[in-house]
Amino acid sequence: AQSVTQLGSHVSVSEGALVLLRCNYSSSVPPYLFWYVQYPNQGLQLLLKYTSAATLVKGINGFEAEFKKSETSFHLTKPSAHMSDAAEYFCAVSYSGGYQKVTFGTGTKLQVIP
Amino acid sequence: DAGVTQSPTHLIKTRGQHVTLRCSPISGHKSVSWYQQVLGQGPQFIFQYYEKEERGRGNFPDRFSARQFPNYSSELNVNALLLGDSALYLCASSLDGTSDGELFFGEGSRLTVL
Repeated sequence: AQSVTQLGSHVSVSEGALVLLRCNYSSSVPPYLFWYVQYPNQGLQLLLKYTSAATLVKGINGFEAEFKKSETSFHLTKPSAHMSDAAEYFCAVSYSGGYQKVTFGTGTKLQVIP
Repeated sequence: DAGVTQSPTHLIKTRGQHVTLRCSPISGHKSVSWYQQVLGQGPQFIFQYYEKEERGRGNFPDRFSARQFPNYSSELNVNALLLGDSALYLCASSLDGTSDGELFFGEGSRLTVL
């Protein structure tokens, strides 16, 4: 079964510091990988996705993620955290063929300290 | 353009009752999916509908059912409510329902079962 594991349910960084949110997937076939963000009282919003093109994917708000097949990882990074980045981030996976079933990780809450 | 809209935003039910949740997708989107998000967890896939037909179903009991109407709006029905059904129910639409497609989420319907 497809799954993703997010290491760290809570991450705190100082404003201006590097943001690194970790995600590992389990798969025997090439996956599609996503990062979604959920701001308080809002719906989830797509940050970026990997669909077998470039392994380094750039998303909105300065975020990027690198697909590493050898490590089965898709970690999310941002060079400099802003206060507005405080939210919950979900890594997710789906597979080609069949239907649009997206499996989400348990989420990582990012706190940005001024 | 309007995003995905869900109603009601909050509701309280008692065990054994029935609930109907409604969703209007983004105009032009033909696929609607439903997810359950329990507090502290990532969203879990319940159903996907595309062009009024069920495309896929997650690991949920038969008490959960859904349908999609000719205008692509959708309803999620849950019968014989249990305390464990308390959750945020998210509706997401996508343009063509493919595995690599972006999901656009509504803000959710928060169900409390007493």
